[in-house]
Amino acid sequence: AQKVTQVQTEISVVEKEDVTLDCVYETRDTTYYLFWYKQPPSGELVFLIRRNSFDEQNEISGRYSWNFQKSTSSFNFTITASQVVDSAVYFCALSEDITNSGGSNYKLTFGKGTLLTVNP
Amino acid sequence: KAGVTQTPRYLIKTRGQQVTLSCSPISGHRSVSWYQQTPGQGLQFLFEYFSETQRNKGNFPGRFSGRQFSNSRSEMNVSTLELGDSALYLCASSSGQLGSPLHFGNGTRLTVT
Repeated sequence: AQKVTQVQTEISVVEKEDVTLDCVYETRDTTYYLFWYKQPPSGELVFLIRRNSFDEQNEISGRYSWNFQKSTSSFNFTITASQVVDSAVYFCALSEDITNSGGSNYKLTFGKGTLLTVNP
Repeated sequence: KAGVTQTPRYLIKTRGQQVTLSCSPISGHRSVSWYQQTPGQGLQFLFEYFSETQRNKGNFPGRFSGRQFSNSRSEMNVSTLELGDSALYLCASSSGQLGSPLHFGNGTRLTVT
C-alpha cells in the first residue's frame, strides 16, 4: 500500500524566512511519481512540480526548490524568502502503477497537507 | 486553455436527498478523477474515469457513483446523503498516463443538513 506522510501539520514563519516542508513516502514499486500541490484559501489545488522515481536531480524554480532523495524516501520542498502570498496548504502526493500494467491503473495518494502561514 | 470547471460551487442538501455534481475537464484530457476533501480525512480518492470507463475506484460506499460522457465531461452522484458527506468535492483532469499531473477545479462545497 502506498502512503504519504507530511511531517509538519502547521508551520508559521515571518516573511522573508526560509521554510522547508517535509514529505516522506512509502511504496513497493520501482516506478512512481511524486508531486507537490498548493491549495490557497480559494480552494483550488495548484500543481507545482512532478518528479519520477528515476530522476533524483534537485530542482529550483524561482524561490521554490525541491530535494528528492530515494535513499530516505523523501521529497522535501523549500521556499526561500517566504512571502505572505505563499500562505496556503501544501500537499505532497504519490502516484504509482497499481497493477504494473504500464500505467493504466493508478491513483494519486495525498498526504494530509501542511498549513503554511507567512506573517508580515 | 480553459481550466477544469466544476458546477455548482456550493450546494446545500438535506439528509436522504441525492446530489449530482458536474465537471468539465481541460480540453483534450481524457481522464477525470474525483476526490473528497474533509478536515478530518484530508483528500481521499473517489474514482477515476478514462474514455467513459471507470478505471479505478477508492474505498467509498456504493452511494457514491459517477460517469463520464463521450466528450470527457463527468458527473458524480451521491445518493441518500448523510451528514458525513459534507465536504469539498474536487474534480481533476489529466491525460490519463501514469505520472501526468492532475489539474484540479475549484471544487463543489457540499453541505448536508
